[in-house]
Amino acid sequence: DTEVTQTPKHLVMGMTNKKSLKCEQHMGHRAMYWYKQKAKKPPELMFVYSYEKLSINESVPSRFSPECPNSSLLNLHLHALQPEDSALYLCASRPTQRQNQPQHFGDGTRLSIL
Amino acid sequence: SQQGEEDPQALSIQEGENATMNCSYKTSINNLQWYRQNSGRGLVHLILIRSNEREKHSGRLRVTLDTSKKSSSLLITASRAADTASYFCATDQTGANNLFFGTGTRLTVIP
Repeated sequence: DTEVTQTPKHLVMGMTNKKSLKCEQHMGHRAMYWYKQKAKKPPELMFVYSYEKLSINESVPSRFSPECPNSSLLNLHLHALQPEDSALYLCASRPTQRQNQPQHFGDGTRLSIL
Repeated sequence: SQQGEEDPQALSIQEGENATMNCSYKTSINNLQWYRQNSGRGLVHLILIRSNEREKHSGRLRVTLDTSKKSSSLLITASRAADTASYFCATDQTGANNLFFGTGTRLTVIP
């Protein structure tokens, strides 16, 4: 079991749908991350939130919209996605953005775009 | 690219043998971390070695770091079938606030 919970585990959506991915942690961590991972590739950073404020946006297309409603919750809103957006979406957290700390990962949401 | 390189890309060994995987990176770092990822799951943190450390142990894991060569190695001793997974190094780079992952090594341990 991981301490970072992601829902749903699997999601299939059409290119015109709107859906959201959810990530939750109760470890008191104040830095939260979204990654995208394609098969047999390393995770690619998408967004970083620090103390509920967007800290890093790695030039992600606007069809991905992150939200951090509180210190425990991170959402990723999806709209008008493309087939190439099919991937495993991972959420992670760590106590702060400060270095010398490991990240804790959820098990991800497997997203398929039809 | 700030991404690290790992070799080998894939490694297949018999149970009980040792597995060594290597990571090279390009910039100055504060620490280097190793993660394991089982198929279809998230990443699990294994070990963190700071830039002023040269070697670290955790159970059957041994990590070395050579900052002059910008490289690290992960040794898994007495491997088990349950060690089958992908292994990623990740660097906390000076001046950055996020991890940069290496390309990964896929380890298969044959029972």
